[in-house]
Amino acid sequence: DVKVTQSSRYLVKRTGEKVFLECVQDMDHENMFWYRQDPGLGLRLIYFSYDVKMKEKGDIPEGYSVSREKKERFSLILESASTNQTSMYLCASSPTGRRNQPQHFGDGTRLSIL
Amino acid sequence: SQQGEEDPQALSIQEGENATMNCSYKTSINNLQWYRQNSGRGLVHLILIRSNEREKHSGRLRVTLDTSKKSSSLLITASRAADTASYFCATDPISSGSARQLTFGSGTQLTVLP
Repeated sequence: DVKVTQSSRYLVKRTGEKVFLECVQDMDHENMFWYRQDPGLGLRLIYFSYDVKMKEKGDIPEGYSVSREKKERFSLILESASTNQTSMYLCASSPTGRRNQPQHFGDGTRLSIL
Repeated sequence: SQQGEEDPQALSIQEGENATMNCSYKTSINNLQWYRQNSGRGLVHLILIRSNEREKHSGRLRVTLDTSKKSSSLLITASRAADTASYFCATDPISSGSARQLTFGSGTQLTVLP
């Protein structure tokens, strides 16, 4: 079975800290995605990666960066955390090149910035 | 940018009744997908319907797609209390790249009362 694992379910950090959210998938998927989810706004794409060391901006990349050094791992970095980055963060993966494939999600990290 | 918009935002029904959720989108798509999210968890893929399909069934789920109206509906028959969750539609636009990034709507919160 497909498994996407996010390193923390809950995380509390302070304003100005550098925050790392980690995501690992075990399906050998090429594509990985980071979303944030806020009430009434659905899921918004922050960044995605289609291969190792490759990344592309999504709809709301400001204040975030990502790292994909290995195929199975995709990290989201908050360079200097701010209170408006308090949110639920969801990681997903999917295989590349084929249409009509779903994304597989982790359980999410609920991040609070104080 | 949000492409899928679900309607209604919230739906409350009695156990045993049918639940219908609608999704509208704006651009041409390869497929449309429905996901479910239990409170505080990640999204789970339910069903995918291709742009050349009009209706698809999976267990108690029935999905329709009308590409001329750019709309889809998800019907859950004989609902159960365990169906209580948020339901999201997601579109795979023709314009998306090889990563096949999806665009999610804001979701419908379904509550099934015992």
